[in-house]
Amino acid sequence: GAGVSQSPSNKVTEKGKDVELRCDPISGHTALYWYRQSLGQGLEFLIYFQGNSAPDKSGLPSDRFSAERTGGSVSTLTIQRTQQEDSAVYLCASSLNSGGAAGELFFGEGSRLTVL
Amino acid sequence: QQQVKQSPQSLIVQKGGISIINCAYENTAFDYFPWYQQFPGKGPALLIAIRPDVSEKKEGRFTISFNKSAKQFSLHIMDSQPGDSATYFCAASISDYKLSFGAGTTVTVRA
Repeated sequence: GAGVSQSPSNKVTEKGKDVELRCDPISGHTALYWYRQSLGQGLEFLIYFQGNSAPDKSGLPSDRFSAERTGGSVSTLTIQRTQQEDSAVYLCASSLNSGGAAGELFFGEGSRLTVL
Repeated sequence: QQQVKQSPQSLIVQKGGISIINCAYENTAFDYFPWYQQFPGKGPALLIAIRPDVSEKKEGRFTISFNKSAKQFSLHIMDSQPGDSATYFCAASISDYKLSFGAGTTVTVRA
């Protein structure tokens, strides 16, 4: 597609369940980010993938959160044993490169997660 | 700990007025300062960006002013229009990597 695609757009789950959120970045973009946006808050960095390098996981809030990126393209963010405080919009973004002049992030529309 | 502090949280401006949003940062290694615009239900989109070698950048009705010594930068929206009603985020990073975002400012432009 032309833009970053995320699925599902909405997910309602029960506390304690696992969820998977998917991101399809723009074709050719080597950098991929996950951010979390809570109500009234800014965007919180979660994890960053760049090409074949080891991901920067420094923003993951707990070991219940993990992410992978297969084949340098599609990424999946997994939240295990969900808690109510995990409720937020999870945004994925991709960019052409990291460093240099290609700094623009292209965001998807997000996956809204509600944990009951 | 938020690395970029943004204010105000929200503002209302009349059509044709000027909207001003301010941001401050601490990390002097930051060298890239973009502003993102987000409409409800959409992801943020890059609006305008500046690097510290210039003090001002203008694109249409949108201007970034940058004060390196004060570690502050601001967004001015001139001749505000109802279509400008959105949430605006300032951000900062080192060499375009891992943007740190402000908390956002919701701008409402009254017709």
